[in-house]
Amino acid sequence: DAKTTQPNSMESNEEEPVHLPCNHSTISGTDYIHWYRQLPSQGPEYVIHGLTSNVNNRMASLAIAEDRKSSTLILHRATLRDAAVYYCILRDLTNFGNEKLTFGTGTRLTIIP
Amino acid sequence: GAGVSQSPSNKVTEKGKDVELRCDPISGHTALYWYRQRLGQGLEFLIYFQGNSAPDKSGLPSDRFSAERTGESVSTLTIQRTQQEDSAVYLCASSLVWGATGELFFGEGSRLTVL
Repeated sequence: DAKTTQPNSMESNEEEPVHLPCNHSTISGTDYIHWYRQLPSQGPEYVIHGLTSNVNNRMASLAIAEDRKSSTLILHRATLRDAAVYYCILRDLTNFGNEKLTFGTGTRLTIIP
Repeated sequence: GAGVSQSPSNKVTEKGKDVELRCDPISGHTALYWYRQRLGQGLEFLIYFQGNSAPDKSGLPSDRFSAERTGESVSTLTIQRTQQEDSAVYLCASSLVWGATGELFFGEGSRLTVL
């Protein structure tokens, strides 16, 4: 299975943009890039996903490198509520029925007031 | 309910006892996943159900662990003869669409403590 690599932790000041990187150098052509986040004492929640083009939604933006070997989750204006563990995962479009979806340890984002 | 519901939210048991953890997925969601999360760790895949297909049990750590799902509804994760290393939060997620684009909806988890 293709793996992802993320920094263990990051800090950011409140109301500033945050760029969370993810490396996935062994990504295949049928892998989607998904991001989830886990707030303290909660289950993970979906943030955003993409395949090749950059994506925007109400929560965040996803910038995908042209070679797709890395991506960056962008929180445009961090708030204290964005403090969470952020997971970058790959999901294979053609591999249904084998959805092991390994989440790894993610990036723990701390927001400084 | 509107989301994935898990019960119990907290369970304390003695080593050697059996426990059952329940997951009620969102109605109509065909895919259901169980994960284990030890303190300070990431999510460890346990098992995956998709419709009427045979479940992917490859993540179950030992034969003490088993899971069932009735059709496309409730799932039960059973841990027999619990050990202290089984202490963790057990998370359930469901998805409307299998495959790469389906968003996973997670429950809040069942925290298991084995004394």
